[in-house]
Amino acid sequence: QKEVEQNSGPLSVPEGAIASLNCTYSDRVSQSFFWYRQYSGKSPELIMSIYSNGDKEDGRFTAQLNKASQYVSLLIRDSQPSDSATYLCAVFISAGGTSYGKLTFGQGTILTVHP
Amino acid sequence: SAVISQKPSRDICQRGTSLTIQCQVDSQVTMMFWYRQQPGQSLTLIATANQGSEATYESGFVIDKFPISRPNLTFSTLTVSNMSPEDSSIYLCSVERGTGMTEAFFGQGTRLTVV
Repeated sequence: QKEVEQNSGPLSVPEGAIASLNCTYSDRVSQSFFWYRQYSGKSPELIMSIYSNGDKEDGRFTAQLNKASQYVSLLIRDSQPSDSATYLCAVFISAGGTSYGKLTFGQGTILTVHP
Repeated sequence: SAVISQKPSRDICQRGTSLTIQCQVDSQVTMMFWYRQQPGQSLTLIATANQGSEATYESGFVIDKFPISRPNLTFSTLTVSNMSPEDSSIYLCSVERGTGMTEAFFGQGTRLTVV
């Protein structure tokens, strides 16, 4: 099993719809979870971070975390064509219970929002 | 977020040669990270660079192939040695804000093509 897995894409939604991106992870002690957006030819840009169970909202973006199910998702409301990009889920996996470790990325989901 | 300057932004190199990529941060950071993103793929961590100590390499990456320097708290270099076409990738420098893996930010990346 991969350490971080994202739902297979590509995902295509109409403008104004809700886009739902999902991610599961294997390390039960992971504490930090991130969503990055990457436009073609650009570097990843952090859009959401979440550390505790529940929902976290920031504008049109909502991250949801369920540690019991080892599941994190990103909802994009009122999707716009400018949201078309690859979305990367990243999980911080600690090294031996210390505060140091590494970010492990999922394979990414390509989102296309069509007018 | 930290301002991360990475150069060169792109290069085309002959096989068998080496390329050194530079990463400059506008503030002092404890750890700097080097990632590789192969075409159509997600990010893979190459190594973690701490100032004053040798870099820590991930499985599948070795110092002879990817030597790293970290002379101070704001600068690091990654060298891709004895290049082959399989090394054609985007190489990304990253830093974290704070300690204990809060949020990571990326430089603009170096797009390397080996011919």
